[in-house]
Amino acid sequence: SQQGEEDPQALSIQEGENATMNCSYKTSINNLQWYRQNSGRGLVHLILIRSNEREKHSGRLRVTLDTSKKSSSLLITASRAADTASYFCATRGRDDKIIFGKGTRLHILP
Amino acid sequence: NAGVMQNPRHLVRRRGQEARLRCSPMKGHSHVYWYRQLPEEGLKFMVYLQKENIIDESGMPKERFSAEFPKEGPSILRIQQVVRGDSAAYFCASSAGMGGMEPLHFGNGTRLTVT
Repeated sequence: SQQGEEDPQALSIQEGENATMNCSYKTSINNLQWYRQNSGRGLVHLILIRSNEREKHSGRLRVTLDTSKKSSSLLITASRAADTASYFCATRGRDDKIIFGKGTRLHILP
Repeated sequence: NAGVMQNPRHLVRRRGQEARLRCSPMKGHSHVYWYRQLPEEGLKFMVYLQKENIIDESGMPKERFSAEFPKEGPSILRIQQVVRGDSAAYFCASSAGMGGMEPLHFGNGTRLTVT
C-alpha cells in the first residue's frame, strides 16, 4: 500500500522560479526521504530528514517535516532545466520498510 | 565503487514463461529492497531482504512471485508463469542497514515485457 502521497501530481514552472512539492503520510515514521528519478533511470537519493527534525537544507534543496500533520515539503530554489524529473517522498517506519508515494512530475520550462 | 547492478535491463517473456531478475547490491550492503513501477506511477514495495533472510514480503503476491538473497551472489526476484499484468519496471535498491538512517541506492531497473 502507498504511504506517502505527493501533491501536486505534476508541476510546470519557469526556469529560475522555486518549486514546492508536498508529501503526506499516514503512520508513524523514523525518517522521511526525498528521491529524484530521471526518465528511464533508477531513483537517486536527495535528502533525509529524521522524525525529530523540522527542517533540513542541502544546496538548493530545503525540506520541512511536520510530524503532527504527517506532512513534508520539498522546496527547490532557483530551478534549472536539469531539475526536470519526478520527485518521490519515502517513509521508513520502525519495521524498516521504506514506502514511496506516487511522485510529483516536475517540468522546468526554459 | 560500483553501484547497484541490475540485469537484464530489458526482458521479454511470453505468457507462461519464467522471469528471473538479478540484483547485485553495492559492495558492503547487506539489505535489499525490490519495488515495482508502472508507467507514470510511484514505486510499489514488494519485498525486503537481508542476507539469507526475507524480512518483509508483504508487498509481493503470494503466488508465482519469490525472492531470495543468498549468502553468496546476487538477489533474485523470480516470477513464474508470467502474465501480461506483470509487465512493469522492477527496481532493486540496497542499503548498508546501519540503523535505518542511511539512504537507499537504486539500480536502473529491469523492464519486463510480457507478450
